[in-house]
Amino acid sequence: DADVTQTPRNRITKTGKRIMLECSQTKGHDRMYWYRQDPGLGLRLIYYSFDVKDINKGEISDGYSVSRQAQAKFSLSLESAIPNQTALYFCATSDLRSGREGFADTQYFGPGTRLTVL
Amino acid sequence: SQKIEQNSEALNIQEGKTATLTCNYTNYSPAYLQWYRQDPGRGPVFLLLIRENEKEKRKERLKVTFDTTLKQSLFHITASQPADSATYLCALNTGTASKLTFGTGTRLQVTL
Repeated sequence: DADVTQTPRNRITKTGKRIMLECSQTKGHDRMYWYRQDPGLGLRLIYYSFDVKDINKGEISDGYSVSRQAQAKFSLSLESAIPNQTALYFCATSDLRSGREGFADTQYFGPGTRLTVL
Repeated sequence: SQKIEQNSEALNIQEGKTATLTCNYTNYSPAYLQWYRQDPGRGPVFLLLIRENEKEKRKERLKVTFDTTLKQSLFHITASQPADSATYLCALNTGTASKLTFGTGTRLQVTL
C-alpha cells in the first residue's frame, strides 16, 4: 500500500463549488504539505503543517484553507473554486526526526489529484 | 528576487551517454539542495541531497555537485538508460522552517 494517499485522484467541478482534497499518510511523519503544480511554474507551496496544532501559509494560500484532523490526515479545501485553480495538487510529508538527524526534510509525495474547474 | 532556474528545454541524449542537468539559483543561501525525479502524472520522488559544505555526492549512477560560490548544482546520470527518461526537479531549503522551494524541472529524454 502507498505510504501517502490522496483522494480523489481526479475531480472535475464547476466555478463556485466547494471542494475538499484529502491526504492520508502511514509513514508516521509529523510534517505535511500541500502543493500545486502548473505547467511552467513548477511546484508551489500552498500550506504546510509541522504538527496537528501548527498550520502555516505557503506562498500561494489565497483561496485555499486546510485542516489537520490528525497526525496522519491533512485536507485542502477550495471554498469557492475558480478556473485558475485548475492544476495538479500534491500532498507531501516529511519527518521532523529525519530533519534533526540531518536528512533535511526529504519529502515524500502522494500520487496527486488532478483538479479541473470549469 | 529569489529565483531557481532549471533549463526548461528538454534534454535529449543517447542511451549510454552521461546526462547533465543544471540548477542555478539567485538570492538564496541554501543549507542543502535536493534532487527529485517526477514521472508524468505522478508525484516527485527523492533522489539525492547535498549539503552546503559538501562538494559532491554519489549514489549508484547518479552524481550531484554543489558550488555555493557559483550558486549552482549539477546533476549527472552516467550510462543513461531509456528508463531514466523523466522530469528532474531541484529543490532548495530556503532557510525558513525547513520548507523547500522547487525549480520548474528539466525533462530528460533518453533514446536508444
